[in-house]
Amino acid sequence: EDQVTQSPEALRLQEGESSSLNCSYTVSGLRGLFWYRQDPGKGPEFLFTLYSAGEEKEKERLKATLTKKESFLHITAPKPEDSATYLCAVNSGGGADGLTFGKGTHLIIQP
Amino acid sequence: DAGITQSPRHKVTETGTPVTLRCHQTENHRYMYWYRQDPGHGLRLIHYSYGVKDTDKGEVSDGYSVSRSKTEDFLLTLESATSSQTSVYFCAISGQGANYGYTFGSGTRLTVV
Repeated sequence: EDQVTQSPEALRLQEGESSSLNCSYTVSGLRGLFWYRQDPGKGPEFLFTLYSAGEEKEKERLKATLTKKESFLHITAPKPEDSATYLCAVNSGGGADGLTFGKGTHLIIQP
Repeated sequence: DAGITQSPRHKVTETGTPVTLRCHQTENHRYMYWYRQDPGHGLRLIHYSYGVKDTDKGEVSDGYSVSRSKTEDFLLTLESATSSQTSVYFCAISGQGANYGYTFGSGTRLTVV
């Protein structure tokens, strides 16, 4: 059974204070690891897909990295608008059969 | 959310009544999914569809059924609602399957009293 564990559950940072969110996973065979952002009252918004260890992707102040056991979402010089819940998910089956999500990290950036 | 609409946005229903949630897409995507989101849990897959009339069960399918008679519509039915089905339900679509990223709807908040 696939498992995804995200840490910390919640993180409060000052504006401009860089940090990282962790996603540890256990899967039988990783087909893809995903990061989503979710704002209150809204559906998750797709950020990145990573497919193999060593891969990195960037978007604005966010950078996602992947190893064989975990992924990190690095946030550089965050702004208040980066406040959201960040979700990690894995796909071990490919195709249409859905993703396994972690519980998320609730990130608050204070001005 | 562009291209995907869920209805209703909010619903309160009584235990034992049937409830149908609707997901409508205008993207002509092949794959559609229903997830539920509860405090203390990640998003959990209920059912998914990989084409018209082609559906399959997810992790938490007990008490739920789905139908897809047209590409654009994916219906989730709670045959006899229970309090444990109080949740936020999200529909997602993908043109090429789960491994290529989803577009999620805005969700339906369902309360069973």
